[in-house]
Amino acid sequence: EPEVTQTPSHQVTQMGQEVILRCVPISNHLYFYWYRQILGQKVEFLVSFYNNEISEKSEIFDDQFSVERPDGSNFTLKIRSTKLEDSAMYFCASSPGTARNQPQHFGDGTRLSIL
Amino acid sequence: GENVEQHPSTLSVQEGDSAVIKCTYSDSASNYFPWYKQELGKRPQLIIDIRSNVGEKKDQRIAVTLNKTAKHFSLHITETQPEDSAVYFCAAARPNNAGNMLTFGGGTRLMVKP
Repeated sequence: EPEVTQTPSHQVTQMGQEVILRCVPISNHLYFYWYRQILGQKVEFLVSFYNNEISEKSEIFDDQFSVERPDGSNFTLKIRSTKLEDSAMYFCASSPGTARNQPQHFGDGTRLSIL
Repeated sequence: GENVEQHPSTLSVQEGDSAVIKCTYSDSASNYFPWYKQELGKRPQLIIDIRSNVGEKKDQRIAVTLNKTAKHFSLHITETQPEDSAVYFCAAARPNNAGNMLTFGGGTRLMVKP
């Protein structure tokens, strides 16, 4: 069964540094998402991406965040200047594009630790 | 925006018993309600979903019911097994032409005792 893959599995970064989290969505999917989960808390939506542009973003997704699809397979989340409160598990998800409300499939996540 | 409340936060049942987890949502425009199971340190895994044009959906030991009038939906697991132990998240989404943003509930930690 095809899966969403994410790298790295764990990223440790100094506060103020830039970090890029990488995702390879399922190959025939057209919608891509980033979510985050602070330890012990609920999963929170960050951003959705379709047709090479952001379609929706949450209040968490401020100017420090950006997303990109640099080629036909990768989907990245960049945090420009990390803060301690950015420490969380970041999940990438993708869904097909044939109709609305298609199931979203999640990757294994990247655990981001800001020191 | 949408707000999803989930209860209980923890649930302990004996193996073989049923488990019920309930969620309420605030946005009457929401029309898609998935449930995810998340084992410790792993990805949220979709286990069942329901759309607003149906009131109930069943898949083996798992069923979901939806009451659009009351804006609540529930997950029912029958004949629970130890491997059902995990955190379960409900979510809701509004219709959107460009994908759909999921708003998650706070999660329920289900423990099935052998």
